[in-house]
Amino acid sequence: SAVISQKPSRDICQRGTSLTIQCQVDSQVTMMFWYRQQPGQSLTLIATANQGSEATYESGFVIDKFPISRPNLTFSTLTVSNMSPEDSSIYLCSVEETRPVTDTQYFGPGTRLTVL
Amino acid sequence: GEDVEQSLFLSVREGDSSVINCTYTDSSSTYLYWYKQEPGAGLQLLTYIFSNMDMKQDQRLTVLLNKKDKHLSLRIADTQTGDSAIYFCAETGGSQGNLIFGKGTKLSVKP
Repeated sequence: SAVISQKPSRDICQRGTSLTIQCQVDSQVTMMFWYRQQPGQSLTLIATANQGSEATYESGFVIDKFPISRPNLTFSTLTVSNMSPEDSSIYLCSVEETRPVTDTQYFGPGTRLTVL
Repeated sequence: GEDVEQSLFLSVREGDSSVINCTYTDSSSTYLYWYKQEPGAGLQLLTYIFSNMDMKQDQRLTVLLNKKDKHLSLRIADTQTGDSAIYFCAETGGSQGNLIFGKGTKLSVKP
């Protein structure tokens, strides 16, 4: 399976600031997703990062708050803008592969964000 | 819309079997997955089952699927302290090709 890394692994930020999270994959992948995992909650899809075009956002998430870049098939960034304590979460990127079966998703280690 | 439900906590003794249950709503899901999240780590794919299968065994893991009741279970035989983690059930069928996750079951294994 693809090896996925994320930077930073964790951060503590002040409200009103922005943080950019990087996701790097060791092979080219078509589908790359960003999820949010709030404390004690499930994973919620933020958006699909599309290479060469704008990200596709889920209902409740907007580009101004969560701008995403996907400059190539191995890299993406997610920015959490104008942060508030409610943005404290784990942010995970994932990629879709066809092994062992289609639609299989593999996840990065996550970025643990605390907003004060 | 799609929804995946899991009980939130399970506590077992080391050496016992653990059974984690999940119900889902999307009958068109092609695959169903189990992921494991250890403290401070990302999600690790444990196993999966194709929707037309009833059972899948993989070493200490047994997945049972009751498609009629939309019920999925994960049995861990001879549970060890290293199995302590949060286990997520997930189905295919998100609007963007993403997975739909349950809230996770926190498994605690007591020595």
